[in-house]
Amino acid sequence: EPEVTQTPSHQVTQMGQEVILRCVPISNHLYFYWYRQILGQKVEFLVSFYNNEISEKSEIFDDQFSVERPDGSNFTLKIRSTKLEDSAMYFCASRPGGSRAYEQYFGPGTRLTVT
Amino acid sequence: AQKVTQAQTEISVVEKEDVTLDCVYETRDTTYYLFWYKQPPSGELVFLIRRNSFDEQNEISGRYSWNFQKSTSSFNFTITASQVVDSAVYFCALTPGGQTGANNLFFGTGTRLTVIP
Repeated sequence: EPEVTQTPSHQVTQMGQEVILRCVPISNHLYFYWYRQILGQKVEFLVSFYNNEISEKSEIFDDQFSVERPDGSNFTLKIRSTKLEDSAMYFCASRPGGSRAYEQYFGPGTRLTVT
Repeated sequence: AQKVTQAQTEISVVEKEDVTLDCVYETRDTTYYLFWYKQPPSGELVFLIRRNSFDEQNEISGRYSWNFQKSTSSFNFTITASQVVDSAVYFCALTPGGQTGANNLFFGTGTRLTVIP
């Protein structure tokens, strides 16, 4: 069964460094998402992406964040200058086109630790 | 605005007991979709069920059942004869309606279920 994959599974970085989190969505899906989950808290929406552009973004998704689909298969989240509070699990998700009824399929997550 | 409330932070049950996880939602949309996801200790998010706002039929899938009541804005989840493998955090989520377009999920804070052998 097709699945969303994410790399790396765990990333440790120093405050102020740039990180890129990578995702490979399911191949025939058209909508892509990033969510984050701070340890022990709920899953929060960051950004959605469709037709090579951002569709929606939350207040969390400030100028330090950017997303890209560089080659038609990968979907990346870049954090330009990491802060301690960026430490969280980052989930990528994708879903097919069409109705919003379709569920989003989540990847296994990347745990980002900022020291 | 969309909001999902899971008032139960943690629940512990003994194996084979039934358990119900509560979910109450708020939305101004007349069309919306509700979901339950399971997050086992390994951390991934596993889709369990989807329900649209026009379909109030309850659903049963094996030991799992869901009770959707629009009148009380609730979408509760019951596990019958719980097993240790059911131990996980369970999230209820909502997305606004509309036929197409990107949409984000609004998650509740989750309920941590521990099933004691």
